[in-house]
Amino acid sequence: GQQLNQSPQSMFIQEGEDVSMNCTSSSIFNTWLWYKQDPGEGPVLLIALYKAGELTSNGRLTAQFGITRKDSFLNISASIPSDVGIYFCAGQLTSGTYKYIFGTGTRLKVLA
Amino acid sequence: EAGVTQFPSHSVIEKGQTVTLRCDPISGHDNLYWYRRVMGKEIKFLLHFVKESKQDESGMPNNRFLAERTGGTYSTLKVQPAELEDSGVYFCASSQGITSKQYFGPGTRLTVT
Repeated sequence: GQQLNQSPQSMFIQEGEDVSMNCTSSSIFNTWLWYKQDPGEGPVLLIALYKAGELTSNGRLTAQFGITRKDSFLNISASIPSDVGIYFCAGQLTSGTYKYIFGTGTRLKVLA
Repeated sequence: EAGVTQFPSHSVIEKGQTVTLRCDPISGHDNLYWYRRVMGKEIKFLLHFVKESKQDESGMPNNRFLAERTGGTYSTLKVQPAELEDSGVYFCASSQGITSKQYFGPGTRLTVT
């Protein structure tokens, strides 16, 4: 079945550093969504991408929809302690169904 | 505007028992989705309602799972009888249009012992 490979699985970074994570697949997607999940909470939508090549920012977060429509990345600049959490990418398939496929998540830990 | 709500937040049941999870989507959202995350793995799609109709139920694991959305408002997901491998966090999400952003509820953590 369709699969999203998200990397890295986890990362420790120093406060103030920039972070980059990405999702790749062999499938083509219509839409990419990036979510953040805090412990005990549901995923919260960070950024939505709708067109190949689209680059969108939300504060310190920037995400891009890959040109091939098979990948996306999320960058966080100048990380702060509250950036800690699990980040998920989700891609919406292009044909037959509108369901989203999720990546396995990137667990981010920020060292003050 | 209220977000997606789910009830209960936690449920611990024994193998063989029945559990019913409830999701109230954002008001006005016709599209409602159920997902599940098993420990350490990705969030997996279970099914999608458009109003009261099942648009896609390709992710439902087996016939022990039954989802309903009578009246096109809230939805329930019943697991009967529950098995150990059903443990995980069940998320509900809703969206206005079929290609619109999906907003998630806080999830129901189900533990089957």
